[in-house]
Amino acid sequence: NAGVMQNPRHLVRRRGQEARLRCSPMKGHSHVYWYRQLPEEGLKFMVYLQKENIIDESGMPKERFSAEFPKEGPSILRIQQVVRGDSAAYFCASSPPARMNTEAFFGQGTRLTVV
Amino acid sequence: GQQLNQSPQSMFIQEGEDVSMNCTSSSIFNTWLWYKQDPGEGPVLLIALYKAGELTSNGRLTAQFGITRKDSFLNISASIPSDVGIYFCAGQSSPGNTPLVFGKGTRLSVIA
Repeated sequence: NAGVMQNPRHLVRRRGQEARLRCSPMKGHSHVYWYRQLPEEGLKFMVYLQKENIIDESGMPKERFSAEFPKEGPSILRIQQVVRGDSAAYFCASSPPARMNTEAFFGQGTRLTVV
Repeated sequence: GQQLNQSPQSMFIQEGEDVSMNCTSSSIFNTWLWYKQDPGEGPVLLIALYKAGELTSNGRLTAQFGITRKDSFLNISASIPSDVGIYFCAGQSSPGNTPLVFGKGTRLSVIA
């Protein structure tokens, strides 16, 4: 059973370009979460999605950032018109549906560098 | 928003020593999780705690969910070089698939 797969592992973009980060959850997991990590910091929640639905986007900037988790295919985190401050590691996690307690499993991350 | 205060920020210990780190919060959490992150990698789940007072072990690791539900600690016994990394606590404020809140991490260095 493959783990959470993220690609690309590293992404370099010039200021003003678009960045697309992809995440394929673990098999059987229908919940996806995106987190951002700055150097020397913990992970900060951005957005929580289920298939075709955004459940909680309270941690995602209102402008330039968007996320989707279509019925078929991976979840995509899209950053338009990137700026230097977007440089960070972006992690995706997935979990199965849970009534009570659940554990989230993380991918290896995409390291975005804006030059 | 909710915050987790994790301490210490960093530790330098001799191989073979025991290690203790903790996490506190001003609000109640329903679940506490401990993760380890190696350089260039994603966090890997070490231990999950679901009930107040619960004490759980995973090999040389032991973690406890505080009775007040506002704190948790992680102990590592007889440290080895591969324990080096950043340890994060994470909390979940309500049951189900609520997103995690992370501490800032404890950076552990082990001197052989």
